[in-house]
Amino acid sequence: KAGVTQTPRYLIKTRGQQVTLSCSPISGHRSVSWYQQTPGQGLQFLFEYFSETQRNKGNFPGRFSGRQFSNSRSEMNVSTLELGDSALYLCASRGDSPIAKNIQYFGAGTRLSVL
Amino acid sequence: AQSVTQLGSHVSVSEGALVLLRCNYSSSVPPYLFWYVQYPNQGLQLLLKYTSAATLVKGINGFEAEFKKSETSFHLTKPSAHMSDAAEYFCAVSEPGNTPLVFGKGTRLSVIA
Repeated sequence: KAGVTQTPRYLIKTRGQQVTLSCSPISGHRSVSWYQQTPGQGLQFLFEYFSETQRNKGNFPGRFSGRQFSNSRSEMNVSTLELGDSALYLCASRGDSPIAKNIQYFGAGTRLSVL
Repeated sequence: AQSVTQLGSHVSVSEGALVLLRCNYSSSVPPYLFWYVQYPNQGLQLLLKYTSAATLVKGINGFEAEFKKSETSFHLTKPSAHMSDAAEYFCAVSEPGNTPLVFGKGTRLSVIA
């Protein structure tokens, strides 16, 4: 079974631009979560999508948004980029049966650099 | 609210020595607990999980962790460190149900030859 796939792996943008990151979950997984990892703040939860609906949301500004498609692939968008948005963005997927026990599987991440 | 505290941002051990990475958690309900490992320029790989079954949990690469409710701890151990264990380790907690993971700040493990 293929794992979680994130594209692209690296991105360089300038302040004020917007960016879109993509995530394909493990086959059969309908839940996709996004996390931001920075040296200062560590790993922070952005949001989770399940069956094309946002199910949970972290404490990030509205510049951070996401969506999920019918095939469970998810995209994350950041508008009006700031220097502080430079981070590794990780996507995770999980199964939705009780036996899945909230176990999340992560992709390799997209490293975003904002200049 | 849930929280995780990992004691020691950097731990250094000799090859062949015991690895002990500490994790304490806070949760208002019986938690699910996880350890993840991150190698440079990679994502997070699940090492092991506690989901209310056996309190001593065995994971991959010879790691194990013990859930101690009275101490609210979930420390990660490995009897003998290998050079390939050098990485960053994250402890995480979640509540049963569709809740996000809450991570500790991470512990960087160095292994000295």
